Amino acid sequence: GNSVTQMEGPVTLSEEAFLTINCTYTATGYPSLFWYVQYPGEGLQLLLKATKADDKGSNKGFEATYRKETTSFHLEKGSVQVSDSAVYFCALSSNDYKLSFGAGTTVTVRA
Amino acid sequence: EAQVTQNPRYLITVTGKKLTVTCSQNMNHEYMSWYRQDPGLGLRQIYYSMNVEVTDKGDVPEGYKVSRKEKRNFPLILESPSPNQTSLYFCASSLEGVNGYTFGSGTRLTVV
Repeated sequence: GNSVTQMEGPVTLSEEAFLTINCTYTATGYPSLFWYVQYPGEGLQLLLKATKADDKGSNKGFEATYRKETTSFHLEKGSVQVSDSAVYFCALSSNDYKLSFGAGTTVTVRA
Repeated sequence: EAQVTQNPRYLITVTGKKLTVTCSQNMNHEYMSWYRQDPGLGLRQIYYSMNVEVTDKGDVPEGYKVSRKEKRNFPLILESPSPNQTSLYFCASSLEGVNGYTFGSGTRLTVV
């Protein structure tokens, strides 16, 4: 079946630092890949997505590239802000519309 | 405003007392789903529905029921809640799976 593995947190950074959260997946076929963000006390919001190999998703300064050869979809941001403190989830969706999530990575950015 | 609305946001109940968590979407989405979020486990799918009167089990369906009598509503029913169902629950909807999902704000359920 499908599965998503993402780096364990928590991750603590200083403002303006570089952020990387690793995500690898196992799936049949050609899944779509997503990053979701959950701010404290809120639901999940779609941060970015990629639907085929070599696609790059980007939003709010975050980027992730769909790498089929390494089955990875690592999230990066060049300069984080305090407002980026949140829990980040990597997820995939196969043709049957089911979403499979990673365990989540808690990121805290200090001023 | 396009949204998925869950109620209630918080609920404390006792073991065995039937409860329903409601979910409604105003985007005319075909697909709806329920997830539970537990620390260290991420989100796990409970049930999903591809359309009216079409529902199927997700990864952790035991102890839950759903119904999809209308396109906009997808209630989650716990006939006899137990403490291991204490969790944070999210409803989500999508027009097409590959386009991503819109999530509700969550329902924090505590079963004592």
